[in-house]
Amino acid sequence: EAQVTQNPRYLITVTGKKLTVTCSQNMNHEYMSWYRQDPGLGLRQIYYSMNVEVTDKGDVPEGYKVSRKEKRNFPLILESPSPNQTSLYFCASSLSSPGQTSYEQYFGPGTRLTVT
Amino acid sequence: SQQGEEDPQALSIQEGENATMNCSYKTSINNLQWYRQNSGRGLVHLILIRSNEREKHSGRLRVTLDTSKKSSSLLITASRAADTASYFCAPPSGGTSYGKLTFGQGTILTVHP
Repeated sequence: EAQVTQNPRYLITVTGKKLTVTCSQNMNHEYMSWYRQDPGLGLRQIYYSMNVEVTDKGDVPEGYKVSRKEKRNFPLILESPSPNQTSLYFCASSLSSPGQTSYEQYFGPGTRLTVT
Repeated sequence: SQQGEEDPQALSIQEGENATMNCSYKTSINNLQWYRQNSGRGLVHLILIRSNEREKHSGRLRVTLDTSKKSSSLLITASRAADTASYFCAPPSGGTSYGKLTFGQGTILTVHP
């Protein structure tokens, strides 16, 4: 079954304690992306990757890091989480990057992060 | 910058009625997508319409695209309680070239049994 998986699904942590949210897709997609969703602000893109070893900042990259060492995995790293990073996070993937010829994005189930 | 803006923000209807949601965007695009999100879950792709298509159907969904007005609409016919969700349009932010999908705050649709 084609899917995007995220782990963990729920996480409560404390300020400053480094954490990683994993994202994996089984569709051999080139394009992967991380979003955060906050009430009243909609979905905002954090980082995206057009292919292995190719990553770039989205709209709200501050406080986050990503890596794309393998095509299927795109982990999101919070080196020193702060309370303003409390949010619902989604990973997504698609065949290639949106633009002239867009493809549907497949979303993971979400990770609800609380930073106290 | 490009962003899909959905209207209305919220829509409440009875089961069996039709629901229409609108989307406006700012810069020229080659395609536009619509997504649905059930409460707290990941978004699910509904339909993609290209700039050379004025209308597209998928089951009970009908999407229109008017590139001259930079707008799109999503019509759900004969709605069901299970259609209760948030609906987002997503134009590529790069216009006609490489870009990313941008999402607005969506339309919250509530269908009452």
